[in-house]
Amino acid sequence: EIVLTQSPATLSLSPGERATLSCRASQNVRNYLAWYQQKPGQAPRLLIYDASNRATGIPARFSGTGSGTDFTLTISSLEPEDFAVYYCQQRSNWPRVTFGQGTRLEIK
Amino acid sequence: QLQLQESGPGLVKPLETLSLTCTVSGGSISSSTYYWAWIRQPPGKGLEWIGSIYYSGDTDYNPSLKSRVTISVDTSKNQFSLKLTSVTAADTAMYYCARSQGTRHDYWGQGTLVTVSS
Repeated sequence: EIVLTQSPATLSLSPGERATLSCRASQNVRNYLAWYQQKPGQAPRLLIYDASNRATGIPARFSGTGSGTDFTLTISSLEPEDFAVYYCQQRSNWPRVTFGQGTRLEIK
Repeated sequence: QLQLQESGPGLVKPLETLSLTCTVSGGSISSSTYYWAWIRQPPGKGLEWIGSIYYSGDTDYNPSLKSRVTISVDTSKNQFSLKLTSVTAADTAMYYCARSQGTRHDYWGQGTLVTVSS
């Protein structure tokens, strides 16, 4: 099973700052990686798919990079509504998928 | 706009069977492009994929749950369902249904909390 490791576990930043979240895969997942945002009491929301493609309606401040085993989600300038938990997910053997353990982005 | 809605009992006794249904509206479950997935999230924890089904009935399950899980589809009702047998407190979670396309799950239901308790 491919394991995804997200870092840091918690990231404390202020609005307007740049956020950089990491996701590392235990094996090569090519570009088969997605990112989700989850706010309390809500279902996850798709942000990025195929490592770097923004989902419909996602603001341009969200961007994804990487391939193989190392991936990054960047939020260029944090808005108050961006503070949430972020998960990465791989699908190298679709439809079978695994998720990372999440990064909590909190207000400093 | 595609919508997914989970339904089923919120409380299940230990060792009994958890049964949930996901109703899809605003689109056809019979599209050849998509799989349909169940994903769960224990309170305060991360996301775990349970399994997925294609409209033809082809399934794939998380190996850690495979012996206890059955996912089925009813294309006439635009629904798919989850059964999880012999539940324990460890199966207490928010259960989500979602549409799976390529890399991602692009539409999710709001989730339904299932508690396992006597």
